[in-house]
Amino acid sequence: GQNIDQPTEMTATEGAIVQINCTYQTSGFNGLFWYQQHAGEAPTFLSYNVLDGLEEKGRFSSFLSRSKGYSYLLLKELQMKDSASYLCAVRRWGDDKIIFGKGTRLHILP
Amino acid sequence: DTEVTQTPKHLVMGMTNKKSLKCEQHMGHRAMYWYKQKAKKPPELMFVYSYEKLSINESVPSRFSPECPNSSLLNLHLHALQPEDSALYLCASSQGGALEQYFGPGTRLTVT
Repeated sequence: GQNIDQPTEMTATEGAIVQINCTYQTSGFNGLFWYQQHAGEAPTFLSYNVLDGLEEKGRFSSFLSRSKGYSYLLLKELQMKDSASYLCAVRRWGDDKIIFGKGTRLHILP
Repeated sequence: DTEVTQTPKHLVMGMTNKKSLKCEQHMGHRAMYWYKQKAKKPPELMFVYSYEKLSINESVPSRFSPECPNSSLLNLHLHALQPEDSALYLCASSQGGALEQYFGPGTRLTVT
């Protein structure tokens, strides 16, 4: 079986830093994705981690610890346009699909 | 070209209608996906096509019928839908093997 957990909602202030956590229990784990989805729009790919460690892409970074079943997405220098849902999704060996967590709605305050 | 296109953008249909949703990608991707998404919920996988063959059907009711005419096109045929089927229908494509997926803008479906 599998289980993916992330907080339902978070609030942060413009210009600040926020960390969105994702924990998972998945047999045959083979990688973790982060997607961003603005209300009423399609999800867009942010990052993919398959090995332990930190991947940095501009203001966004994603971290993975396979032994702990844990990932986080770090957003720096928050902007109002970062208000969106952030979806953690897990990939398994031999599967043609990914499993999404329930998503974290991030609200940015001015 | 990293775009997935979907038509129509919006669709309103009665419970006795038959309609189709269309999706197209020109990235040479071998896998294509249909998802259903309700408000404030994550996308829910419906079907996966790999090399134009149906590889996953997530126990979707038969009133939804997918079709993959060629490697660039994916259709979803709708018949006798229920009001609870109203949702955003997203198409996605990837290189396959559940690699990074590119999503289309979706079709907002309302069943009356």
